[in-house]
Amino acid sequence: NAGVTQTPKFQVLKTGQSMTLQCAQDMNHNSMYWYRQDPGMGLRLIYYSASEGTTDKGEVPNGYNVSRLNKREFSLRLESAAPSQTSVYFCASSIQVFSGNTIYFGEGSWLTVV
Amino acid sequence: TQLLEQSPQFLSIQEGENLTVYCNSSSVFSSLQWYRQEPGEGPVLLVTVVTGGEVKKLKRLTFQFGDARKDSSLHITAAQPGDTGLYLCAGINNDMRFGAGTRLTVKP
Repeated sequence: NAGVTQTPKFQVLKTGQSMTLQCAQDMNHNSMYWYRQDPGMGLRLIYYSASEGTTDKGEVPNGYNVSRLNKREFSLRLESAAPSQTSVYFCASSIQVFSGNTIYFGEGSWLTVV
Repeated sequence: TQLLEQSPQFLSIQEGENLTVYCNSSSVFSSLQWYRQEPGEGPVLLVTVVTGGEVKKLKRLTFQFGDARKDSSLHITAAQPGDTGLYLCAGINNDMRFGAGTRLTVKP
């Protein structure tokens, strides 16, 4: 039972470098999300995709871009990494967006920008 | 300022004790969820409450949604070391907002 799989698990970037976090779900869910988690801040939504072919900004979208490649995959791209983007990133999926359905999270990607 | 305020932020207790953690907001939610997160893992859903005043029980955990659907509480009876983790609440309307969490440590 893979659920939500995200890669890489750990990454160190230099300021200004770019990278893409990959996420895939095998539950045939329509909706996918990217969150970041910082100490004392809880989980904050970066972007979400309600269904294949759509993406929308969340609470903290600046400095990020996303691509819903197909129903299974939702990637997050940092074009020019900044130290403020040091965080733990979680990909998640659910049957329907913001509906009270169960949201399933990946195990997280630890990103450090130096 | 968090939309959802969770208290306490940290809680350390002995095995066998009871505890209650709180999730408060000035906003009304259509539903509210509680998650538990263990170190190095993503959050896992514990419960969804939908109706004002609703009480749900999950073994030793009791969840209550406030009558006005602005707040919620989680009560754990006879806490065990396996209950250790970060407890997050999330309010749902046209989006979903998480509180900062209560970090619970249960000592054997």
